[in-house]
Amino acid sequence: SQQGEEDPQALSIQEGENATMNCSYKTSINNLQWYRQNSGRGLVHLILIRSNEREKHSGRLRVTLDTSKKSSSLLITASRAADTASYFCATDVRARVTETSGSRLTFGEGTQLTVNP
Amino acid sequence: DVKVTQSSRYLVKRTGEKVFLECVQDMDHENMFWYRQDPGLGLRLIYFSYDVKMKEKGDIPEGYSVSREKKERFSLILESASTNQTSMYLCASTRAGFYEQYFGPGTRLTVT
Repeated sequence: SQQGEEDPQALSIQEGENATMNCSYKTSINNLQWYRQNSGRGLVHLILIRSNEREKHSGRLRVTLDTSKKSSSLLITASRAADTASYFCATDVRARVTETSGSRLTFGEGTQLTVNP
Repeated sequence: DVKVTQSSRYLVKRTGEKVFLECVQDMDHENMFWYRQDPGLGLRLIYFSYDVKMKEKGDIPEGYSVSREKKERFSLILESASTNQTSMYLCASTRAGFYEQYFGPGTRLTVT
């Protein structure tokens, strides 16, 4: 099964409302990232939270991480129609990290967010 | 800004053809990755490379090979395309020791 699994699979809200997406994972991680993908395009990195952090903010984004529950949430406040996209969490595979390499990531299946004007 | 480009946005090939998907990044990143994305399955790692001429299998390497002759270029090769390889293919890169991946726009490949 996927290392990262998002919940819900789809979310539809009105502009101005907050959107919350959740991610669960199974193994120990160095960090957890969230990415956004507009329809038919590549992914764009949004935010990274390290395993020793509990909360992180970036503009209208707020990410929390609970390593005891192996879960993370992404909150988008005051949503806009332009936030309509798929959102993915990605976890690194701790065992494969080396000093000279980056870390391979495992992505969840994503949450499709629709913000209605 | 980091730029990752992929050779084609859309590609249509016939079963049995040899297919080359090219990816180029302009930020001197050591690490490059190829994923495929399918509905309900998310992104799955096909192959990755930590350095020139180095490659490692990802989760679904069967039916694919890769080539990295230059640092900035990472090619995905479908030796004999099959219909079950119809998918969106995404290339990504990152600097050694860093985790944030930069993605290309994707190539939507259809094999008929």
